[in-house]
Amino acid sequence: ELKVEQNPLFLSMQEGKNYTIYCNYSTTSDRLYWYRQDPGKSLESLFVLLSNGAVKQEGRLMASLDTKARLSTLHITAAVHDLSATYFCAVALIQGAQKLVFGQGTRLTINP
Amino acid sequence: EAQVTQNPRYLITVTGKKLTVTCSQNMNHEYMSWYRQDPGLGLRQIYYSMNVEVTDKGDVPEGYKVSRKEKRNFPLILESPSPNQTSLYFCASRPQGLSYEQYFGPGTRLTVT
Repeated sequence: ELKVEQNPLFLSMQEGKNYTIYCNYSTTSDRLYWYRQDPGKSLESLFVLLSNGAVKQEGRLMASLDTKARLSTLHITAAVHDLSATYFCAVALIQGAQKLVFGQGTRLTINP
Repeated sequence: EAQVTQNPRYLITVTGKKLTVTCSQNMNHEYMSWYRQDPGLGLRQIYYSMNVEVTDKGDVPEGYKVSRKEKRNFPLILESPSPNQTSLYFCASRPQGLSYEQYFGPGTRLTVT
């Protein structure tokens, strides 16, 4: 059974600081997603990571994937208030292309 | 505009009264899924479909049914809703292929009393 764990679950940080959210998963996978959710809103796709060593960047967010360690990271650089949201990782089961398991989410609050 | 739509957006109902939440996408996507979101549990997949007439169970399928008779529609059916199905439900779709991102609908907040 695939388990996906994120940490931390809650993160409060100051603007301008750097931080990393971790996503660990328990079995082999061929695809990992990162999503953002604002309060009361739907999920917005941020990144899709497909291979070991994959790194993607968009603005102040950078995601990476280490399939050997079964670990993905979402790094925030010089945080700004607009990045306050809940971030989810989701991992696809290798045998089932559409079967996804989500982490619990990390609620990120960025204070001025 | 490319989008996934869900109806209704909000629903309050009583235990045992059958209901259907509709989901429709206009992007000709092969894959569609239903998820429920509960505090502290993240999103859990209920059912998914890889194309017309092809559906399979996710992690929490009990108490739910789905059908995929047309490519654009993927309704979620609760034959006899119970209070533990009170949740926020999301439909999502994506095209076939490993790298394609998934597009989520706006969500349906269901309360079963």
